[in-house]
Amino acid sequence: GQQVMQIPQYQHVQEGEDFTTYCNSSTTLSNIQWYKQRPGGHPVFLIQLVKSGEVKKQKRLTFQFGEAKKNSSLHITATQTTDVGTYFCAGPGGNQFYFGTGTSLTVIP
Amino acid sequence: ETGVTQSPTHLIKTRGQQVTLRCSSQSGHNTVSWYQQALGQGPQFIFQYYREEENGRGNFPPRFSGLQFPNYSSELNVNALELDDSALYLCASSLGPGDYGYTFGSGTRLTVV
Repeated sequence: GQQVMQIPQYQHVQEGEDFTTYCNSSTTLSNIQWYKQRPGGHPVFLIQLVKSGEVKKQKRLTFQFGEAKKNSSLHITATQTTDVGTYFCAGPGGNQFYFGTGTSLTVIP
Repeated sequence: ETGVTQSPTHLIKTRGQQVTLRCSSQSGHNTVSWYQQALGQGPQFIFQYYREEENGRGNFPPRFSGLQFPNYSSELNVNALELDDSALYLCASSLGPGDYGYTFGSGTRLTVV
């Protein structure tokens, strides 16, 4: 079946450092969505990318969709303690919706 | 505009019992999907309803079933509960299936003993 993998699984950074998580799908995605889940919370929608090679920015967050529409990345510039959480990529595949394995971000003050 | 609400928030059931979880979708949303999230794992897609019809299903056995009502609220039913069914069950709604972002509820924490 379709798989959506993310690396790294865990990332610890000092506050102010940058952070990147990479998402790879085994099949082409019509769109890629990113979610953030705080510890003890529920996933919160961040953004959706649809076009091949698309890049979108939200303040310190930069999202990119690969040319082949099989991979994506999320880059956070100058992390803050409020960025702590697990970041998931997700996308539709067939008649299902797949979440990636997630990257857990810890920010050390 | 209200978000997605789920009930109950916590539930303890005995192995072999049946459980019904409920979800009210966000106003204006016609699509509801359900996910199972084990501790430390990503959400696993159970199924999705669009305008009262199931239009997608993940790799879950038939004892996981659901409904969507005319007001687009939804239920998840699980029969013959197993210990491995212990997890956080998340409901999410959207403007349409797959092409829009999903708004998640806070989830129901199910413990099977």
